[in-house]
Amino acid sequence: SQQGEEDPQALSIQEGENATMNCSYKTSINNLQWYRQNSGRGLVHLILIRSNEREKHSGRLRVTLDTSKKSSSLLITASRAADTASYFCATARMDSSYKLIFGSGTRLLVRP
Amino acid sequence: EAQVTQNPRYLITVTGKKLTVTCSQNMNHEYMSWYRQDPGLGLRQIYYSMNVEVTDKGDVPEGYKVSRKEKRNFPLILESPSPNQTSLYFCASRGQNNSPLHFGNGTRLTVT
Repeated sequence: SQQGEEDPQALSIQEGENATMNCSYKTSINNLQWYRQNSGRGLVHLILIRSNEREKHSGRLRVTLDTSKKSSSLLITASRAADTASYFCATARMDSSYKLIFGSGTRLLVRP
Repeated sequence: EAQVTQNPRYLITVTGKKLTVTCSQNMNHEYMSWYRQDPGLGLRQIYYSMNVEVTDKGDVPEGYKVSRKEKRNFPLILESPSPNQTSLYFCASRGQNNSPLHFGNGTRLTVT
């Protein structure tokens, strides 16, 4: 069953704008990870946030985690055309931390 | 270069003809996993392996087999492929628990 669900399913923005994607999940987690996928290629890990962390930054990426609401957001600031890709959240459950459950992703289009 | 290598990249076959998709990683990772990706369904785990000779079912194991005789290799076997196994397949590996997954570039399989 799906654990992480991303919102929106698709997002189109102008270059230079910020992009925000949300992820909701159902059960307690050990950590939450965000991945990026360029069209038809393998996923690339972006950032991992542990359940005891609330916010994390990496370059133009900012991730927040609210365990009380079982939700996370990924913010990409000053977007570039090269950021066009699909973005997936993946949750590592507390009861089976070896296993990552992926959501169905947000397709981001950054228009030049 | 640290990588996960899958072969072939594209495969077209007919119903019932046994096939193997190979996966190899050069990072000495203990954990390896196979996923399939279908539109609107995200990534679903087929099988995973926590170490040599240790394999376990994921969420959608029916119609698939795996083996883990060596640490670096984790082949996916379809004994009798059917059209509903037409999909994009990814192999992934990781080191210690909860570290990020490294993905291969995918195998696009079409079963007619």
